[in-house]
Amino acid sequence: GESVGLHLPTLSVQEGDNSIINCAYSNSASDYFIWYKQESGKGPQFIIDIRSNMDKRQGQRVTVLLNKTVKHLSLQIAATQPGDSAVYFCAEGRGQAGTALIFGKGTTLSVSS
Amino acid sequence: DTEVTQTPKHLVMGMTNKKSLKCEQHMGHRAMYWYKQKAKKPPELMFVYSYEKLSINESVPSRFSPECPNSSLLNLHLHALQPEDSALYLCASARDTDTQYFGPGTRLTVL
Repeated sequence: GESVGLHLPTLSVQEGDNSIINCAYSNSASDYFIWYKQESGKGPQFIIDIRSNMDKRQGQRVTVLLNKTVKHLSLQIAATQPGDSAVYFCAEGRGQAGTALIFGKGTTLSVSS
Repeated sequence: DTEVTQTPKHLVMGMTNKKSLKCEQHMGHRAMYWYKQKAKKPPELMFVYSYEKLSINESVPSRFSPECPNSSLLNLHLHALQPEDSALYLCASARDTDTQYFGPGTRLTVL
């Protein structure tokens, strides 16, 4: 079936490095994508989102890239810090943008100092 | 402020109990959601309320019964649950059909 998934279940980086977390999606009709960070014992925290009419969006230390040709989404975190350690989920909005989010499997980011 | 609150934080119940989970937001959001998250898995959508009306039910068993008393509150009534229903139950809200903001969740254990 159609799903949103991530390429790697875990990613380990050194403090100060840049991190790239990848996600592939299968539904070319999807028009909204969002990244969440989830720390242990907490609910998902919104990081950044992007609509299908854009290919790049920047936030504070984070950038989301959308490649509709290959149905690929990535989250770049600049100067990764230990506080960035968490599980990162991409999610896809189907139907009306933002409704009924379908989550990918998640990537666990570990940052060592 | 993007705060969604959920109570209780933890809940332990037997299979014959009836309990309720509560979710509240005061951001004026008109869409509210229930998700279920098992350990080391992504959240899975259960229900969507839009303008206080149930708009999506993802084939959830009837032992889970949602209720939206007003635009700020969302309840999930639980009855005759099974041990496999143990999970983190997350509530989220959105202004309309855009960014969903999540609460901290209720950790449910069914004995």
